[in-house]
Amino acid sequence: NAGVMQNPRHLVRRRGQEARLRCSPMKGHSHVYWYRQLPEEGLKFMVYLQKENIIDESGMPKERFSAEFPKEGPSILRIQQVVRGDSAAYFCASSQQPSVNTGELFFGEGSRLTVL
Amino acid sequence: LAKTTQPISMDSYEGQEVNITCSHNNIATNDYITWYQQFPSQGPRFIIQGYKTKVTNEVASLFIPADRKSSTLSLPRVSLSDTAVYYCLVGLYYGQNFVFGPGTRLSVLP
Repeated sequence: NAGVMQNPRHLVRRRGQEARLRCSPMKGHSHVYWYRQLPEEGLKFMVYLQKENIIDESGMPKERFSAEFPKEGPSILRIQQVVRGDSAAYFCASSQQPSVNTGELFFGEGSRLTVL
Repeated sequence: LAKTTQPISMDSYEGQEVNITCSHNNIATNDYITWYQQFPSQGPRFIIQGYKTKVTNEVASLFIPADRKSSTLSLPRVSLSDTAVYYCLVGLYYGQNFVFGPGTRLSVLP
């Protein structure tokens, strides 16, 4: 059973370009979470999705950021018109259930975005 | 939203037992306490989880006093490969209320 798969692992974009980060959850997991981590800081929650639905996007910037988790295919975190401040590691996690006592939260290896 | 406080950093030597304490004074009745480990350039990895008293697995032990206002992660006989950041989280549901603080940066020295 493959773990949470994220790609690309590294992405370089120039200011104003778009970044698309993909996440395939573990098999059987329908709950997906995206986090952002700046250097030397903890992970910051961005968005929680369950197949085809955004459950909670309270941690996501209102502009330029969007996320989706279609019925078929990976979850996508999209950042439009990137700025230097978007440079960070973006982690995806998945779980079988949304509660901590009924299933573990598994993380991918992250996608590191560098904006030049 | 239960906030956690843990030391920013700790140093230890190989073979020693390491105890990292986390304070969570506002823990709710239904909240669980979960610890994660993160190596550089990797995603966090689950270590252990508990609700009360003591939990032990093949990697660590978790001690939770009766009032549940704190918890202690115990790593027996650490090795260099245990050098990582350790996060203490409190909550019942994943998502915005499952908060990763700055964690404790553990450095294991030879």
